[in-house]
Amino acid sequence: DIQMTQSPSTLSASVGDRVIITCRASQSVASWLAWYQKKPGRAPQVLIYRASNLQGGVPSRFSGSGSGTEFTLTINSLQPDDFAIYYCQQYKSSPLTFGGGTKVEIK
Amino acid sequence: QMHLQESGPGLVQPSETLSLTCVVSGDSIARSEWWTWVRQSPGRGLEWLGEITQNGRANYNPSLNDRVTFYIERTKNQFSLRLNSVTAADTAVYYCVRPVVDGVWSWFDLWGPGRLVTVSP
Repeated sequence: DIQMTQSPSTLSASVGDRVIITCRASQSVASWLAWYQKKPGRAPQVLIYRASNLQGGVPSRFSGSGSGTEFTLTINSLQPDDFAIYYCQQYKSSPLTFGGGTKVEIK
Repeated sequence: QMHLQESGPGLVQPSETLSLTCVVSGDSIARSEWWTWVRQSPGRGLEWLGEITQNGRANYNPSLNDRVTFYIERTKNQFSLRLNSVTAADTAVYYCVRPVVDGVWSWFDLWGPGRLVTVSP
């Protein structure tokens, strides 16, 4: 299985900050990577697919980059609605696997 | 607009079988070639359980050790999961999910709200 490791596990930030979350894969997943946002009591929502493609309806302050084994999710100008947990997911090979999550909390 | 809704018992006895159904509403289940189950537990995080296609062919996560079976009932616009010999480690929120095939495998663009299933005597 491909292991996905996110860092940091928790991130404290303020409204307006730029936030960067890292996801590392235990082997290359090329660009087959998605990012999700999850809020308590709600299902995950996709933000980014194929490493850098913004899903329709997602604000442009979210962006993704990377390929191979290292990826980043950047949130420019953090908004109050963005405090949540973020997960990466590889879909290079089965079983599909997720990172452990990064909680973005209010500083 | 398509919606997914999981249903089934919220409490299952250890060693018994966990059964969940996902009802697809707002559109035909045939709109997607594949349908997926994902669960989330404190101990295992988000875990892909597998997927089933329109003709009933399924791919399962090997971590489930052949305990899981998926079904699809196109005439009822629903698909189902059965997980047998459950233990406390199977306690989780179970999501039914619509995948978007991108390359060989998929990311996920539509999720049900989730169903908490607790395994306990």
